[in-house]
Amino acid sequence: SAVISQKPSRDICQRGTSLTIQCQVDSQVTMMFWYRQQPGQSLTLIATANQGSEATYESGFVIDKFPISRPNLTFSTLTVSNMSPEDSSIYLCSVRGIGDYGYTFGSGTRLTVV
Amino acid sequence: AQSVTQLDSQVPVFEEAPVELRCNYSSSVSVYLFWYVQYPNQGLQLLLKYLSGSTLVESINGFEAEFNKSQTSFHLRKPSVHISDTAEYFCAVSEYGGSNYKLTFGKGTLLTVNP
Repeated sequence: SAVISQKPSRDICQRGTSLTIQCQVDSQVTMMFWYRQQPGQSLTLIATANQGSEATYESGFVIDKFPISRPNLTFSTLTVSNMSPEDSSIYLCSVRGIGDYGYTFGSGTRLTVV
Repeated sequence: AQSVTQLDSQVPVFEEAPVELRCNYSSSVSVYLFWYVQYPNQGLQLLLKYLSGSTLVESINGFEAEFNKSQTSFHLRKPSVHISDTAEYFCAVSEYGGSNYKLTFGKGTLLTVNP
């Protein structure tokens, strides 16, 4: 299965600022996803990162708050914009490989907004 | 739309006891089913998955899960647990075919194995 490098692993940010999280995969993948895991909660899908086109956002998530880029088949970024303490969560990148029906997750970015 | 229900938020057991973590799903189409494990302060790891074929799937560390289509269930079992199995376990579903490949998670079950 694919190996994912997600950076940064953790950060503490001031409210009102933005943080960009990177997800690098060691092989080409068909699908890339971004999830949020709030403290003590399950994972919620933010969006599907589409290569060469705009991301597909889930209900409750908007592009202005969570802009996503995916310039090629192995890399994506998620930006958390104009952060507030409510954005404190773990953000995870996930991929689905070509011909592979399993989903691999990055180790996550633990974000604290103060 | 697909959904997953994990019936128990917490399951405390003693070491070497058997355990069952329950998972039910809802979908209008055929599905793939997954169990993921999250150890404290770590990321998600795939424990096992059901895609097709035999309804009983096994992991390398002694867990097994059985797909029951009539009951729309995918319960996770282990005959004898270890302290090291203490973790959060998430059941997830993905629709088969079509263009919707997203993974939907249950709320998770915290398994605590006590000595």
